[in-house]
Amino acid sequence: QQQVKQSPQSLIVQKGGISIINCAYENTAFDYFPWYQQFPGKGPALLIAIRPDVSEKKEGRFTISFNKSAKQFSLHIMDSQPGDSATYFCAAKDNQGGKLIFGQGTELSVKP
Amino acid sequence: ETGVTQTPRHLVMGMTNKKSLKCEQHLGHNAMYWYKQSAKKPLELMFVYNFKEQTENNSVPSRFSPECPNSSHLFLHLHTLQPEDSALYLCASSQAHTGELFFGEGSRLTVL
Repeated sequence: QQQVKQSPQSLIVQKGGISIINCAYENTAFDYFPWYQQFPGKGPALLIAIRPDVSEKKEGRFTISFNKSAKQFSLHIMDSQPGDSATYFCAAKDNQGGKLIFGQGTELSVKP
Repeated sequence: ETGVTQTPRHLVMGMTNKKSLKCEQHLGHNAMYWYKQSAKKPLELMFVYNFKEQTENNSVPSRFSPECPNSSHLFLHLHTLQPEDSALYLCASSQAHTGELFFGEGSRLTVL
């Protein structure tokens, strides 16, 4: 079944804290796992992505951790800032049709 | 102009109206997508065009009719919609099968 389950649905973090959003999948034919960030009134924007041949990717304060055996991946936002307040979507790409399947989204609020 | 541009940004229509959403990409991509975004739901893929050919129709009702005249333009023709069709409609583009989607800011549709 092509589905990506994302949790939590909403998250409140204090400024300077670590935000962690988790995603799980079942389809082993996924070969690319991006995270998108969406601010109110804007379309989603690609934030960071990982391929299943690596276990971690870091770009600035954003890190993806990938556990292939558990079929799980997560986004960690270090030193969270109020400007990070947005909705975050994980996604997975089907390696056969190229279709991108999105998780349900996590609304992150970083309190000053 | 750069990126993916969608017009109109807001649209209110009655159930008997006919309207169209327009999307234009200036990124040289060869794939274009329509997604529907409703509150508290994952992004729903509606249509995919690769090299101007429709390659995905995700069981979308016939009251939504896509058109892709060239690789830079995508339309979504709307007719006899239902109130439950009210949502944010997002257009995206990419190089085919990469999974790196670039989204427009969306067209907020309200059906009365």
